[in-house]
Amino acid sequence: GENVEQHPSTLSVQEGDSAVIKCTYSDSASNYFPWYKQELGKRPQLIIDIRSNVGEKKDQRIAVTLNKTAKHFSLHITETQPEDSAVYFCAANILTGGGNKLTFGTGTQLKVEL
Amino acid sequence: DTEVTQTPKHLVMGMTNKKSLKCEQHMGHRAMYWYKQKAKKPPELMFVYSYEKLSINESVPSRFSPECPNSSLLNLHLHALQPEDSALYLCASSLDFTHTDTQYFGPGTRLTVL
Repeated sequence: GENVEQHPSTLSVQEGDSAVIKCTYSDSASNYFPWYKQELGKRPQLIIDIRSNVGEKKDQRIAVTLNKTAKHFSLHITETQPEDSAVYFCAANILTGGGNKLTFGTGTQLKVEL
Repeated sequence: DTEVTQTPKHLVMGMTNKKSLKCEQHMGHRAMYWYKQKAKKPPELMFVYSYEKLSINESVPSRFSPECPNSSLLNLHLHALQPEDSALYLCASSLDFTHTDTQYFGPGTRLTVL
């Protein structure tokens, strides 16, 4: 079936450093790629998304890049802060059942150390 | 109202019990979703309702029975569950299942099956 691979599974950075999380997808028809942040015991929250008609999108310290040819997309967090510590999930849409469902990557546990 | 709400927050049930999880949104969204999330894993899609009709059932066992009484409400009826069904059950909604709209998650119900 269609899947999304995500790496690394854990990432530890010093406060102020940058963090990069990478995902690859298999369905060439996918055209929507959201990123969710999930803090311990909380709901997944959308932090940024990108559609296939653009190659890069930025929102303050967060950016996402998309390479449609290679079928991979990445999350970049600059100037990391302790509150960025969480699990991050990438996702890609799969066209099925008359609509769009999301397939999630396996998650990256990001730890920002002081 | 820009939130998805879920009740109860926590539920403990025996294998012979019948219980229901409830989800509500008042954002005018016409797509609603049930996900199951195990610890340290991504959300797994269970069901999708679009315009109050079941669009996707991801081969979920019949001991889980979804219901969408109206466009704002989504229920998940539970009966004869197994201990391995213990997980966080997340509800989500989006504007329209046929489009690549953002999915907003509720806080989840933490279910423990004894």
